[in-house]
Amino acid sequence: SQQGEEDPQALSIQEGENATMNCSYKTSINNLQWYRQNSGRGLVHLILIRSNEREKHSGRLRVTLDTSKKSSSLLITASRAADTASYFCATDEDSGYALNFGKGTSLLVTP
Amino acid sequence: NAGVTQTPKFQVLKTGQSMTLQCAQDMNHEYMSWYRQDPGMGLRLIHYSVGAGITDQGEVPNGYNVSRSTTEDFPLRLLSAAPSQTSVYFCASRDRGTDTQYFGPGTRLTVL
Repeated sequence: SQQGEEDPQALSIQEGENATMNCSYKTSINNLQWYRQNSGRGLVHLILIRSNEREKHSGRLRVTLDTSKKSSSLLITASRAADTASYFCATDEDSGYALNFGKGTSLLVTP
Repeated sequence: NAGVTQTPKFQVLKTGQSMTLQCAQDMNHEYMSWYRQDPGMGLRLIHYSVGAGITDQGEVPNGYNVSRSTTEDFPLRLLSAAPSQTSVYFCASRDRGTDTQYFGPGTRLTVL
């Protein structure tokens, strides 16, 4: 069954603003990953955070993980129109070989 | 490296027809998976494989078969297509060292 649940379902911001999206999950995990999907395209891996990490950065992306609350957040700073996409969190469970995805957050960045 | 490739990109089938969606990767990854994506849903796991000759079911395996005769290829077979199988299908392979999954571009399937 689907593990992750993103919030909000949709987010609309202007260029230059920060975008924050959240992910909650249910069971213990090895790691949590965030992916981006542009309309009609495949998924692109953005960042992975392991269960023993609390925060990770990659360029304009910042991911946090709170295993006690079973939640993660993805922050995109100084958003650009090109960031318009759907963002998915995916969890890698202790016994799993494949990822469990949430339903995604649809981000719209307007000029 | 081509990464993960999928063919065809688009396919229209009639109910009851069978077909095979092709997936190949050139990164020597042991783990490969098939997902389907429906509107408003995330990706749901159909089948996965942890190496040549080893496959297992995911969340929504009914109506699909897989095999893994080589490390590179992981085809997905629809035995008797149904309208409920209208979806976008993604193949992925996973780097065991980094746990990163790499996705193919997808196959958009319509069953009439």
